[in-house]
Amino acid sequence: KAGVTQTPRYLIKTRGQQVTLSCSPISGHRSVSWYQQTPGQGLQFLFEYFSETQRNKGNFPGRFSGRQFSNSRSEMNVSTLELGDSALYLCASSFTSGERNEQFFGPGTRLTVL
Amino acid sequence: KQEVTQIPAALSVPEGENLVLNCSFTDSAIYNLQWFRQDPGKGLTSLLLIQSSQREQTSGRLNASLDKSSGRSTLYIAASQPGDSATYLCAARTSGSRLTFGEGTQLTVNP
Repeated sequence: KAGVTQTPRYLIKTRGQQVTLSCSPISGHRSVSWYQQTPGQGLQFLFEYFSETQRNKGNFPGRFSGRQFSNSRSEMNVSTLELGDSALYLCASSFTSGERNEQFFGPGTRLTVL
Repeated sequence: KQEVTQIPAALSVPEGENLVLNCSFTDSAIYNLQWFRQDPGKGLTSLLLIQSSQREQTSGRLNASLDKSSGRSTLYIAASQPGDSATYLCAARTSGSRLTFGEGTQLTVNP
C-alpha cells in the first residue's frame, strides 16, 4: 500500500508570491491534516479536512488555506509569502476519526522563502 | 489548551543501553497518544499508538506506556542501536485528527 505522498518536495519562492502544496493520502483514508514544522516553533497544526470539509483549524493567519477533493487529495495554499513561512510542511492522513485514528505522515515539502 | 512537554531535549547513550523517553501532557481528555520518529529533514514515522483505554503498547524493542491520570507517557527503547539515532516526538490527540506535539527528544546512540 502506497504511503502519503507530497509534491513538490522542495520549493523556493520569493516574498509576496503564493504557493500551492499537494498531498495524496493513503488509499481509503478520508482525513488529511497539515502541519508546519520550524526549528523555533516545532510542529504546529494548520488544519484538518475530512470528507471535503474543514473540521479543525489551527492558529494561523488567513493567508493559509486549504481544500480537499472528492478523492481525498488535499492542497494547501499560502498567499503573500513571508520569510517566516519558510518551513517543512507535513501532511498526515488517517482512516477514521475514531479512537484508533493512527496518523501517517508524508515526507514533507520544504518551502524556502527568499 | 493542550500542552505537551518532552524530557530530555537531547540524549546521548552508548550502544546497547536501555533508555526511557518522557512525555507529559496537560489535558488528560485525550483520544490517544502517538509516538513518532523523525530523521533529519524527513517526515514522521509512526512508532506506536496508545489508545486512551490502553496502558501500554509494544513493538519489537519499543514499549510505550500511558498514564492518563498523571498526564504522562514513556517510550522505552531496549538494547539501543546506532540506527535508533533520530528525534522522537510524542503527540496527543484531543479533537478530530488534530495532534499536539512535544518538542521532541534528540537521541544519539554511539557505536
